Amino acid sequence: AQKITQTQPGMFVQEKEAVTLDCTYDTSDQSYGLFWYKQPSSGEMIFLIYQGSYDEQNATEGRYSLNFQKARKSANLVISASQLGDSAMYFCAMREADNAGNNRKLIWGLGTSLAVNP
Amino acid sequence: DAGITQSPRHKVTETGTPVTLRCHQTENHRYMYWYRQDPGHGLRLIHYSYGVKDTDKGEVSDGYSVSRSKTEDFLLTLESATSSQTSVYFCAISAGTGVNSPLHFGNGTRLTVT
Repeated sequence: AQKITQTQPGMFVQEKEAVTLDCTYDTSDQSYGLFWYKQPSSGEMIFLIYQGSYDEQNATEGRYSLNFQKARKSANLVISASQLGDSAMYFCAMREADNAGNNRKLIWGLGTSLAVNP
Repeated sequence: DAGITQSPRHKVTETGTPVTLRCHQTENHRYMYWYRQDPGHGLRLIHYSYGVKDTDKGEVSDGYSVSRSKTEDFLLTLESATSSQTSVYFCAISAGTGVNSPLHFGNGTRLTVT
């Protein structure tokens, strides 16, 4: 079963509007971390934002915020005031505390492609 | 930006030849990873390292080996390249494996096996 699900293969948004990219996750751990990455067409993977399972407030980093709904197991990325440079693939990932030490790896979703229209 | 350099950035090779990809970091991070990225499969972990000479397999390790003789360098070797290993390969590093530890990625190597 998929532990990270990104249900939107592709999204469109008008420049200057806000957009929400969905991510749902599946874990039985109480302690875990959620991450979002951006991959523009140039190919690099850029870390955007992190949310911890015990964090009481939603994470924010500039125009990026994370709508964290723990009971629903969702960690949606919100991009405000979209810019043309936001056009990219966006990946959601999770790290669980369950596995010990060195085995604690990131679990990845398949990504959402975002196109920002001028 | 995290100091991670992958080389080469692009490589074309023939089936059956050995290929080595290099990852070099200047962050002195303990953990290093090799991923491959393919359409429809997302990022898949090949091998990872948790210290000098300490490595372990990921989910798609068949046909690949790794070595880490220094903290800063992590090498990925395709023993005998096959067309199914045509992919984009990413190296990543992290300071730890806590739930709050992100990975930071190199710029990737595009490998084509003909």
